[in-house]
Amino acid sequence: DADVTQTPRNRITKTGKRIMLECSQTKGHDRMYWYRQDPGLGLRLIYYSFDVKDINKGEISDGYSVSRQAQAKFSLSLESAIPNQTALYFCATSERRGFLSTDTQYFGPGTRLTVL
Amino acid sequence: KQEVTQIPAALSVPEGENLVLNCSFTDSAIYNLQWFRQDPGKGLTSLLLIQSSQREQTSGRLNASLDKSSGRSTLYIAASQPGDSATYLCAVRENSGYSTLTFGKGTMLLVSP
Repeated sequence: DADVTQTPRNRITKTGKRIMLECSQTKGHDRMYWYRQDPGLGLRLIYYSFDVKDINKGEISDGYSVSRQAQAKFSLSLESAIPNQTALYFCATSERRGFLSTDTQYFGPGTRLTVL
Repeated sequence: KQEVTQIPAALSVPEGENLVLNCSFTDSAIYNLQWFRQDPGKGLTSLLLIQSSQREQTSGRLNASLDKSSGRSTLYIAASQPGDSATYLCAVRENSGYSTLTFGKGTMLLVSP
């Protein structure tokens, strides 16, 4: 089984609909991230969480919200989807072990979201 | 604000060639730099991570170097194979502790048989 899973893998929705993307991990990591990837723009950070009680905005958080339900689960919501939120969304996890930790990020397989 | 640039944006080579992918970053105060591979429609796989105190890291046919003072890293792929075809992404972490990754836009590599 994959260490970082994302559901759904593909989703087509209409403008104005509420959408939730879910991420689960079995790696036991404390840190989780949501990115979006657009052609020509690379990966951009939406939100990140360094533990269950810690939520931080990333570079492009407008129009998104998140929930860290447990250490292993981190959900991304689009309250009212719009077409320019069409993108590939990735969840990632990492673990901070001590001051010298590399904090390597491990990525899920991605969710392709299309907003019509 | 940290900016990461990757050159070239795309590269096509015949099988067996050695090649170099370039990554530059504007703020040299980084904690580490990481190279990822992304296959079409899939997630990212970490290839190599170089701490700021290191000059290079090697894994099999891959060698990544870091020159922090000049804001540059290179990924060297020896004896390229068709299976190396993918997009290669460079990402930097600026500070220890609570910072996050800033990604370049990637280099799309095609290795033809």
